[in-house]
Amino acid sequence: NAGVTQTPKFRILKIGQSMTLQCTQDMNHNYMYWYRQDPGMGLKLIYYSVGAGITDKGEVPNGYNVSRSTTEDFPLRLELAAPSQTSVYFCASSKHQGLEQYFGPGTRLTVT
Amino acid sequence: AQSVSQHNHHVILSEAASLELGCNYSYGGTVNLFWYVQYPGQHLQLLLKYFSGDPLVKGIKGFEAEFIKSKFSFNLRKPSVQWSDTAEDFCAVITANQAGTALIFGKGTTLSVSS
Repeated sequence: NAGVTQTPKFRILKIGQSMTLQCTQDMNHNYMYWYRQDPGMGLKLIYYSVGAGITDKGEVPNGYNVSRSTTEDFPLRLELAAPSQTSVYFCASSKHQGLEQYFGPGTRLTVT
Repeated sequence: AQSVSQHNHHVILSEAASLELGCNYSYGGTVNLFWYVQYPGQHLQLLLKYFSGDPLVKGIKGFEAEFIKSKFSFNLRKPSVQWSDTAEDFCAVITANQAGTALIFGKGTTLSVSS
């Protein structure tokens, strides 16, 4: 199993540009999550999904959108990039609510 | 709302020293507890977890943690640290058996071990 994979690993965006962060898992997990990690702040949940076609907001959803058309994929969309979105983004998945989450390698995004 | 507090922001130890990192959470119900580790340049990996049963749990690489329900604590310990333990450690909590709740992370503790 590859586990959770994310692309790209690094990206630099100009203010106002848009992009999609890709996330795929091959463990047949129902639950998938997007977090952002800022220095000294831990991880904050952006969006999560409990299965294909079902998504919900986390703690910091503003400026982001998600979709879940398949069990495997959970892309995160930034429509109008802002400097405040400079962060490291992690995708994760879990088999069930409350169980351990498996994390991808992360995407380091810089918005200038 | 749930919250997780990690008492130590940055811990510096010499090899072979003992380690204890504090973690407290605020929630009165049943919780599942985790410690994750992030080695430099890598993604988060699970160190150990507690769901129920023996409150002393053992994880990978010689780490262990003790759940003390009365103190809402889940402290991480290791008797003798190694240089390779240099990493950022995160405590995390989720409400057990309640749909729609999220894993709440502490702000992390940076562990630096010198050889």
